[in-house]
Amino acid sequence: GAGVSQSPSNKVTEKGKDVELRCDPISGHTALYWYRQSLGQGLEFLIYFQGNSAPDKSGLPSDRFSAERTGGSVSTLTIQRTQQEDSAVYLCASSYKGQGNTGELFFGEGSRLTVL
Amino acid sequence: AQKVTQAQTEISVVEKEDVTLDCVYETRDTTYYLFWYKQPPSGELVFLIRRNSFDEQNEISGRYSWNFQKSTSSFNFTITASQVVDSAVYFCALSDLGSRDTGRRALTFGSGTRLQVQP
Repeated sequence: GAGVSQSPSNKVTEKGKDVELRCDPISGHTALYWYRQSLGQGLEFLIYFQGNSAPDKSGLPSDRFSAERTGGSVSTLTIQRTQQEDSAVYLCASSYKGQGNTGELFFGEGSRLTVL
Repeated sequence: AQKVTQAQTEISVVEKEDVTLDCVYETRDTTYYLFWYKQPPSGELVFLIRRNSFDEQNEISGRYSWNFQKSTSSFNFTITASQVVDSAVYFCALSDLGSRDTGRRALTFGSGTRLQVQP
């Protein structure tokens, strides 16, 4: 598709379960970001990919959070042993890193995670 | 460190009123970018405008206009003759040029302003 695609759009899980959230960026976009948006809050940076590598993981809140990216395209954010405080909307964004790049990120619609 | 402040948590107006959303930022960078994004109920963040720190010209796009004032570190957004479809959360954001080591853009968002336009 033309935009950033995220799945699932909604996920309800029980505390302690693992979840995987998927992001399919815009074709050709080498940079990929994961953000978290808690209810009524702004966006919190989680992790940044350039190609398949993640040179900046500084925003991951704990070792229960991990992410990978394969083929320079699709990325998966995994949350292990989910806790209620993990409930949030997880947003993925991509951008093209190249000459003239002015930092515009294109966002997906997000995956809303609810941990019961 | 970068910081973006959107002091207005929620604004409610009646259709056709003009409304201004405030944004104040802090950065030690001399070159940076400012953005406004719109987040409708669907959740997707929609890019509205980008402004670099060297360009203080105001910009108008249809009913939208932006006032960038470097002297007061503000980048305010005005919607003229508001419409119900303008109802959304609006985020102001600040970006650096990217880390030399990682390439990551440090994009700092404000906490957002929820705009409700009543018919």
